[in-house]
Amino acid sequence: QQQVKQSPQSLIVQKGGISIINCAYENTAFDYFPWYQQFPGKGPALLIAIRPDVSEKKEGRFTISFNKSAKQFSLHIMDSQPGDSATYFCAASKGNNDMRFGAGTRLTVKP
Amino acid sequence: DAGVIQSPRHEVTEMGQEVTLRCKPISGHNSLFWYRQTMMRGLELLIYFNNNVPIDDSGMPEDRFSAKMPNASFSTLKIQPSEPRDSAVYFCASSPNTDTQYFGPGTRLTVL
Repeated sequence: QQQVKQSPQSLIVQKGGISIINCAYENTAFDYFPWYQQFPGKGPALLIAIRPDVSEKKEGRFTISFNKSAKQFSLHIMDSQPGDSATYFCAASKGNNDMRFGAGTRLTVKP
Repeated sequence: DAGVIQSPRHEVTEMGQEVTLRCKPISGHNSLFWYRQTMMRGLELLIYFNNNVPIDDSGMPEDRFSAKMPNASFSTLKIQPSEPRDSAVYFCASSPNTDTQYFGPGTRLTVL
C-alpha cells in the first residue's frame, strides 16, 4: 500500500532555518498532492496542496515544489519556528478517494 | 462548526472483546473515511463511504473489522474480536467531495 515514499523520518532544524521534506510517488494517475500537519494528540490537518499542472505553490512560509517528470514533490518551510514542530505527512490521491499517505516526518525546530 | 467528532477518545479493552468506534462527520460532507495510524505502518486507509455507501473496503485488514454508515451523520467501525495487534489510533475523516479531507481527533485503542 506504500505508494508514496517520504524522507527523512525525522528532522531537526534550528529556529530560522529551512526545513525540507521530500516525497516520491509511483502512480502517475495521482492528481492531487497535499501536505498534512499533525500535532501530538490531534488529527492531521491540511497544510498546503498542489496539483500537477504547476511546479510550485507558496502559502506564507510554506512552499511545495513539484517535479512531475521525476514524480517527486517536496515541502519547504522557510524561517522555521518552534511552533512548526510537528509530524508532516505528504499524500497523493486521484480524485477525492483513495488518498495514500507517506510515512511521516517528525520535525523538531530548536529555539 | 464542531469539526469531525469521534468517540471515545481513548479505549482500553481486553483481547477478544468487541470494540465500537464512532464518528460524526462534518454536516454537509458526503464522503467519510476511516484510517488507522501506527508507528510501523503509518496512516492506512481502511474504508471510505460516499453518500453513506461503502465504496472501497480493500484496506480493511480482515473480517474482524466492519464499518457501517446508517445515515449521513453517523458511522461506526467495529472490531470483533479485538486483538493486541489492533492497538492503534483510528481516525475518521470527512470531505465535501473536494480533495480536502478533514480529520477528527482520533480514538486511541489499546487491546491488552
